[in-house]
Amino acid sequence: GQSLEQPSEVTAVEGAIVQINCTYQTSGFYGLSWYQQHDGGAPTFLSYNALDGLEETGRFSSFLSRSDSYGYLLLQELQMKDSASYFCAVRPNAGNMLTFGGGTRLMVKP
Amino acid sequence: DTGVSQDPRHKITKRGQNVTFRCDPISEHNRLYWYRQTLGQGPEFLTYFQNEAQLEKSRLLSDRFSAERPKGSFSTLEIQRTEQGDSAMYLCASSLEQNQPQHFGDGTRLSIL
Repeated sequence: GQSLEQPSEVTAVEGAIVQINCTYQTSGFYGLSWYQQHDGGAPTFLSYNALDGLEETGRFSSFLSRSDSYGYLLLQELQMKDSASYFCAVRPNAGNMLTFGGGTRLMVKP
Repeated sequence: DTGVSQDPRHKITKRGQNVTFRCDPISEHNRLYWYRQTLGQGPEFLTYFQNEAQLEKSRLLSDRFSAERPKGSFSTLEIQRTEQGDSAMYLCASSLEQNQPQHFGDGTRLSIL
């Protein structure tokens, strides 16, 4: 099975950099995805790591290390609008569904 | 690309009633997924369609739940004899290929009185 662990809450100030970690126990998966979800809204795709290493998309970067069973989402130049929940997710080798972590609630303060 | 559309956005019903939700995926996406999300948790997979075929079902999907995608386009999720524990956000997602990102709709929030 799959199990993904994330910190439940992170607080940072506007303009700062924040890293949201995701550790996992899984028997095998295709890649690590990150989704953003504002209160009352839909999860929105942010980033995907199929291979180990860093993927950069604007202010957001994501990292995966399969040997360490670990990944993270890095948000730079934080803005108030980045206040949301962030979920890591994997698609197991044996299925088509995504398995999500419990989510990290990011609060950006002025 | 008009995005994934779900209807209704909110549904309030009494325990024991039947409810049906609809999902319209992104038009060229042949893969469609249903998830359930409760407050403070990540989405949990319910079922998956490739075109009109329902290929995967979670153990969460009890016999009171049924999903269809009759023409390989829109999908419906029906819950019969609703229970308090069914209160949740029901999310639909679609993707073009297996390894492409899943795009989510805004969900249907179900409240059981």
